[in-house]
Amino acid sequence: QSVLTQPPSASGTPGQRVTISCSGSNSNIGNNYVYWFQQLPGTAPKLLIHRNDQRPSGVPDRFSGSKSGTSASLAINGLRSEDEADYFCSTWDDSLSGLYVFGTGTKVTVL
Amino acid sequence: QVQLLESGPRLVRVSETLSLTCTVSDVSINNNYWNWIRQPAGRGLEWIGRIYSTGSTNYNPSLKSRVTMSIDTFRNQFYVTLNSVTAADTAVYYCARAFRDYGDAFDIWGQGTMVTVSP
Repeated sequence: QSVLTQPPSASGTPGQRVTISCSGSNSNIGNNYVYWFQQLPGTAPKLLIHRNDQRPSGVPDRFSGSKSGTSASLAINGLRSEDEADYFCSTWDDSLSGLYVFGTGTKVTVL
Repeated sequence: QVQLLESGPRLVRVSETLSLTCTVSDVSINNNYWNWIRQPAGRGLEWIGRIYSTGSTNYNPSLKSRVTMSIDTFRNQFYVTLNSVTAADTAVYYCARAFRDYGDAFDIWGQGTMVTVSP
């Protein structure tokens, strides 16, 4: 059972802005870095955002991350057809002996 | 270019042990955490655990009683075993690097290997 809550779906037309939320708690998002991943069908997840709002080299600047308190968000500006994928947030959780946790996932559809 | 490649049996019988290897290419296995993550079909991601080059490990508490990870720095490989498997362990298994410079984000992933647990 995921401890990070995401909306199951989001959609937009090409060129629009889409935002995905990720809700957690003090033991995870509130106290640790948030990461975002994109997963295309049949492929491994790809890192989009690290350390809350940093993009690895090669990730378009259309993707941006933010964090406030125990929640985080991923924004996709200028939505493109190739952005249709599943998106997951993730972070470290300090509870018990510590573990990485993932969000429930959001399916982004480009209309 | 850094690459990770999972290998191991695709089919495991119920109650037996699942064993996978991750081979790391083009980067030293030293100085980062190396992770196993799984994903049942059509579902979300679950972190299994991680191992450092020294052999230090952290496991998901929900799997801790059944998981063992090890590492071979000379072969540039790390491993996972999961014992007493059930159908619930059927999933795509990924290995991934937690990159220190990215705040321990999973920046490189293997392609994944589908493991089916059968009766």
